[in-house]
Amino acid sequence: GNSVTQMEGPVTLSEEAFLTINCTYTATGYPSLFWYVQYPGEGLQLLLKATKADDKGSNKGFEATYRKETTSFHLEKGSVQVSDSAVYFCALSAGNQFYFGTGTSLTVIP
Amino acid sequence: NAGVTQTPKFRVLKTGQSMTLLCAQDMNHEYMYWYRQDPGMGLRLIHYSVGEGTTAKGEVPDGYNVSRLKKQNFLLGLESAAPSQTSVYFCASSRPVTYEQYFGPGTRLTVT
Repeated sequence: GNSVTQMEGPVTLSEEAFLTINCTYTATGYPSLFWYVQYPGEGLQLLLKATKADDKGSNKGFEATYRKETTSFHLEKGSVQVSDSAVYFCALSAGNQFYFGTGTSLTVIP
Repeated sequence: NAGVTQTPKFRVLKTGQSMTLLCAQDMNHEYMYWYRQDPGMGLRLIHYSVGEGTTAKGEVPDGYNVSRLKKQNFLLGLESAAPSQTSVYFCASSRPVTYEQYFGPGTRLTVT
């Protein structure tokens, strides 16, 4: 079946620290992979995506590379800001459905 | 362009009561979805629709019904609410092929 496993949180970092949130997936076929971000009290917003192996998605300083050999799509940012505090969800699409990870809460302190 | 909107934003029900959540999108998307979000469990798909007049079950469909009479609207119904249905409900829509989903702001439902 299809599933996504992502790093347990919560994660607390100081401003300007390096961020990695791990995400691995199990899928049949060739899924597209996504990272979504959820700010408090809001719905999910697409952060970045990759649709095939070796693609790199990037947005707002965040990056993730679709690694088929390790079935991974880890999220990275070189220097986090307080405004990056949110919950991050890894997801894959297969057929007509999306499969989400459980979310990783990130808090960035000044 | 409002994107995806949900009505209501908050609701409190007593056990056994019924209600309907409304989702509307103005992006002419074919696909629409209803999820529930519970602490520590991420988002779980309740039902989805790939076009007007069609619906399908997701991961956790029991206790819910849906209808997609118009392309822009997707309704989620609870016929007899239970405390286990206390959750935050999100609607989303997408186009085929890209499958990038656009989410509404959510409805917080409490069943006492």
